[in-house]
Amino acid sequence: GAVVSQHPSWVICKSGTSVKIECRSLDFQATTMFWYRQFPKQSLMLMATSNEGSKATYEQGVEKDKFLINHASLTLSTLTVTSAHPEDSSFYICSASGGGTTSIYEQYFGPGTRLTVT
Amino acid sequence: SQQGEEDPQALSIQEGENATMNCSYKTSINNLQWYRQNSGRGLVHLILIRSNEREKHSGRLRVTLDTSKKSSSLLITASRAADTASYFCATSGEAGNMLTFGGGTRLMVKP
Repeated sequence: GAVVSQHPSWVICKSGTSVKIECRSLDFQATTMFWYRQFPKQSLMLMATSNEGSKATYEQGVEKDKFLINHASLTLSTLTVTSAHPEDSSFYICSASGGGTTSIYEQYFGPGTRLTVT
Repeated sequence: SQQGEEDPQALSIQEGENATMNCSYKTSINNLQWYRQNSGRGLVHLILIRSNEREKHSGRLRVTLDTSKKSSSLLITASRAADTASYFCATSGEAGNMLTFGGGTRLMVKP
């Protein structure tokens, strides 16, 4: 149980275009989803926290107009990188936590999405 | 923001040896978790230790927590080449379920 999927697993896009990444909790309802960014050989940096049906809370230094987060249902959150630039190239990882059978203190991570902006 | 610091940043050992990684943090926590990440992959949850616990075991993993020193250690016994990965500690504050990750330790186990 507690499986989180991400789609796509990797994407290459041209500078200036937008890219949408989906994060789904497959077998539980995720009241909270988190989006992280990870640069090579570095740790995960939290970008934003989203609760179903409400606006995401962004970490300091993360542009909310550039990284659009939508958490429209208890099983789906999307991250849209708008007007992507090469410096946005990174590994984006989502995680989900929720009630029910999952502990609210445990996050279940997706497999990540490798974004390359050319 | 990064709260935890891990040391060493990189560790190379022979198969069969034990590997010890340390994590320090700065603020009060509800729990501390250890994760493993293979190169270019997502995170796998290894173990969670609560702030009122001092030691926890899971298979070949042993985690300790010293809240007075704000530190934790992860011990992998009888390491295998398949244990090669990056290991991260993450803390969860008393307020909720947000995780703050440490810098990670890159472990290489040579066959």
